[in-house]
Amino acid sequence: GAGVSQSPRYKVAKRGQDVALRCDPISGHVSLFWYQQALGQGPEFLTYFQNEAQLDKSGLPSDRFFAERPEGSVSTLKIQRTQQEDSAVYLCASSLGTSAYEQYFGPGTRLTVT
Amino acid sequence: AQSVAQPEDQVNVAEGNPLTVKCTYSVSGNPYLFWYVQYPNRGLQFLLKYITGDNLVKGSYGFEAEFNKSQTSFHLKKPSALVSDSALYFCAVRDTGGFKTIFGAGTRLFVKA
Repeated sequence: GAGVSQSPRYKVAKRGQDVALRCDPISGHVSLFWYQQALGQGPEFLTYFQNEAQLDKSGLPSDRFFAERPEGSVSTLKIQRTQQEDSAVYLCASSLGTSAYEQYFGPGTRLTVT
Repeated sequence: AQSVAQPEDQVNVAEGNPLTVKCTYSVSGNPYLFWYVQYPNRGLQFLLKYITGDNLVKGSYGFEAEFNKSQTSFHLKKPSALVSDSALYFCAVRDTGGFKTIFGAGTRLFVKA
């Protein structure tokens, strides 16, 4: 079946621009995570949704980062006024139930801020 | 605060030999522990998890891991390595009280034929 998809796969933004990254989770998956992965590092937790509720946003690095999942399926991660330090791969993962033990990852969006 | 340490950037083993990829963790409460693998040009894939119960857990592709509470470790093992096991392996931990999942920096496994 279809896995987690993310779009765009690559995004180049000039410093100061706003970007929006999309995640389509596996159909029926209740839980959704966003991560930021810098080169040579492990994924770093950004935020967690259970259906449309954002239960944990403790990992969002600044108020320039905003995530939403208004209908409990597709999610968007928005970064305002991008900075060079925002350059990374942004990963989305979904999980079937509320326990969210097993996460299925998308291919990621590579963001480069110039 | 939660943390995960993977002390080895790289592990080299010969095909057919046993392999171990090390992981230690720190959480304030009881842990949920996970291993994920990333093959070249592919996304992260779930390998196995420890939630509760038996300390030895078995996962995909013949991998297993042993939870050791006293040593706060969750090392990944396989009795006989394959060249196709060459990949980047991530250990992750989550406190049972929340959903924030912390990943280690990863260990690159090279299996030589």
